[in-house]
Amino acid sequence: KTQVEQSPQSLVVRQGENCVLQCNYSVTPDNHLRWFKQDTGKGLVSLTVLVHENDKTSNGRYSATLDKDAKHSTLHITATLLDDTATYICVVGDRGSALGRLHFGAGTQLIVIP
Amino acid sequence: DMKVTQMPRYLIKRMGENVLLECGQDMSHETMYWYRQDPGLGLQLIYISYDVDSNSEGDIPKGYRVSRKKREHFSLILDSAKTNQTSVYFCASSLRGSQNTLYFGAGTRLSVL
Repeated sequence: KTQVEQSPQSLVVRQGENCVLQCNYSVTPDNHLRWFKQDTGKGLVSLTVLVHENDKTSNGRYSATLDKDAKHSTLHITATLLDDTATYICVVGDRGSALGRLHFGAGTQLIVIP
Repeated sequence: DMKVTQMPRYLIKRMGENVLLECGQDMSHETMYWYRQDPGLGLQLIYISYDVDSNSEGDIPKGYRVSRKKREHFSLILDSAKTNQTSVYFCASSLRGSQNTLYFGAGTRLSVL
């Protein structure tokens, strides 16, 4: 059973618009949550990591929140650019130690159009 | 320059042939990973290596084996490839501890005919 669910599956926005990507998970324990960006035909690149209850992070036009009680995270992209077109993947780590496992969502495919 | 390099980028093999996927990293990371990515699914862990000759099965190790003889190099071997092993394979590396970020290679797209 998938333990990390992302929504929407795909999203089309116009350049300059804002968008919100959702991640719900059932992983227990939930040590940390990381968002990755994957350009077409490329590897994953880390955008941000959230560790604590009610964490909020910001990385340029990307900002993220984590609600550990609800096991829910959001990734906000502000003033989208054409280069934001990519798949965004939510990953939950069950432990911080070397023995911890990472649980990957299937991703949200974002397409930014002119 | 922090980099994970995968070779080859594209590979076509016939069913029953042996396949070797290679991965190198220049960050002296202890931990290295092999994942596969299939449409509609999250990345699935095939094998994890904690250091030289210290490898553990991931969630889907059947049909695969690995070799790590040097810290900077991690190989994935498919003995007698099957059509259901057609996928995109990603190698990644990180410092020890899953909270540390993974650095991914660009992937190898393998087709088994």
